[in-house]
Amino acid sequence: EVQLVESGGGLVQPGRSLRLSCTASGFTFGDYAMSWFRQAPGKGLEWVGFIRSKAYGGTTEYAASVNGRFTISRDESKSIAYLQMNSLKTEDTAVYYCSRVIDSGSPIGGDYWGQGTLVTVSS
Amino acid sequence: QSVLTQPPSASGTPGQRVTISCSGGSSNIGSNTVNWYQQLPGTAPKLLIFGNNHRPSGVPDRFSGSKSGTSASLAISGLQSEDEADYYCAAWDDSLNGVFGGGTKLTVL
Repeated sequence: EVQLVESGGGLVQPGRSLRLSCTASGFTFGDYAMSWFRQAPGKGLEWVGFIRSKAYGGTTEYAASVNGRFTISRDESKSIAYLQMNSLKTEDTAVYYCSRVIDSGSPIGGDYWGQGTLVTVSS
Repeated sequence: QSVLTQPPSASGTPGQRVTISCSGGSSNIGSNTVNWYQQLPGTAPKLLIFGNNHRPSGVPDRFSGSKSGTSASLAISGLQSEDEADYYCAAWDDSLNGVFGGGTKLTVL
């Protein structure tokens, strides 16, 4: 059974950093690209970024709103995808989800999602 | 303001067929495939349609997707009470960004 479990969320002050983890199981992690999404309270979905599989270089793309502040990486040996968030702003407050990309040509198509982890940026 | 445009709400009665539209541009829907998500309150989104009109395993064939030019649609036939949820369209953009619609709240009357 495919499972994705996010962890690492919490309350953080503006300007500080936080690292989220997405632990995968039930599939060959290295074969898939992984995307991160977020949803601010009461708002719609927003794509944050994604990391390609190692076969495609493990390169990354980011939304303009987080580019230069957020970094996605992956540890194939542990089947974990990470979202490193630096210089956090109040507008980054959201539930963050990781997702397995069903089609590497469309990183916004996630067929399995985690349960989400809440990040609250506030002083 | 979302890049893709969806109606904020839609409604139907049980058994009815409902469609939700999604309008974009030449750099997203016009040149890339469309995905549709269903989100029940308090839960993670669920992929309903990928690649314009493909259903992941386990998604009932009551759900179907289509695309024409820079617009796409999600159709739900045989509407059921459990279909009451928020629905989002999404597409990759040639600027190497993922874009979403603002979401449509479907009410089953």
